[in-house]
Amino acid sequence: GAGVSQSPSNKVTEKGKDVELRCDPISGHTALYWYRQRLGQGLEFLIYFQGNSAPDKSGLPSDRFSAERTGESVSTLTIQRTQQEDSAVYLCASSRAGSDSYNEQFFGPGTRLTVL
Amino acid sequence: AQSVAQPEDQVNVAEGNPLTVKCTYSVSGNPYLFWYVQYPNRGLQFLLKYITGDNLVKGSYGFEAEFNKSQTSFHLKKPSALVSDSALYFCAVRKTEGRRALTFGSGTRLQVQP
Repeated sequence: GAGVSQSPSNKVTEKGKDVELRCDPISGHTALYWYRQRLGQGLEFLIYFQGNSAPDKSGLPSDRFSAERTGESVSTLTIQRTQQEDSAVYLCASSRAGSDSYNEQFFGPGTRLTVL
Repeated sequence: AQSVAQPEDQVNVAEGNPLTVKCTYSVSGNPYLFWYVQYPNRGLQFLLKYITGDNLVKGSYGFEAEFNKSQTSFHLKKPSALVSDSALYFCAVRKTEGRRALTFGSGTRLQVQP
């Protein structure tokens, strides 16, 4: 079956511009996560959605970062007024949720963002 | 706060030899533990997880991991390494209650030499 997809795969932007990154989770997965992976580092959690609500936004690094999700499907991560330190690979993951909340997360291929 | 330590940036092993990739964690309460693998230009792939029960967990591609509560470790192992196992490996943890986001280690690059 189809996995998690993300678009674009690569994005190059100029400092100060806004960018939108898109994630299509696996159908039926109610939980959706955004992570950031800087070069040579592990993943940093950004935000978690259960359905279209976001009970955990604790990882968003600043108010320039926001995300939304439509129902139990597509999510968009928006970065306003991009800075060079925002350059990273942004990864989206989804999982089944509910009482068995230890389900593994399935990751998309990521969007590589480069801010010049 | 929860954290994961992968003390080795890189592990080198000869093909056919056993391999171990180390992971220790810190979390209040009981953990759920995961290993993921990242191949070049590909997303993270799930390998295995520890939820409860048997401390030895078997996963994909012949990998296994042993949960050791007293040492707060979850080392990844494979009896006989393949060149195709060369990749970046990440250990991750979350608490059994509360926050669902995973906390990842910084990754260990495994290089298997022919």
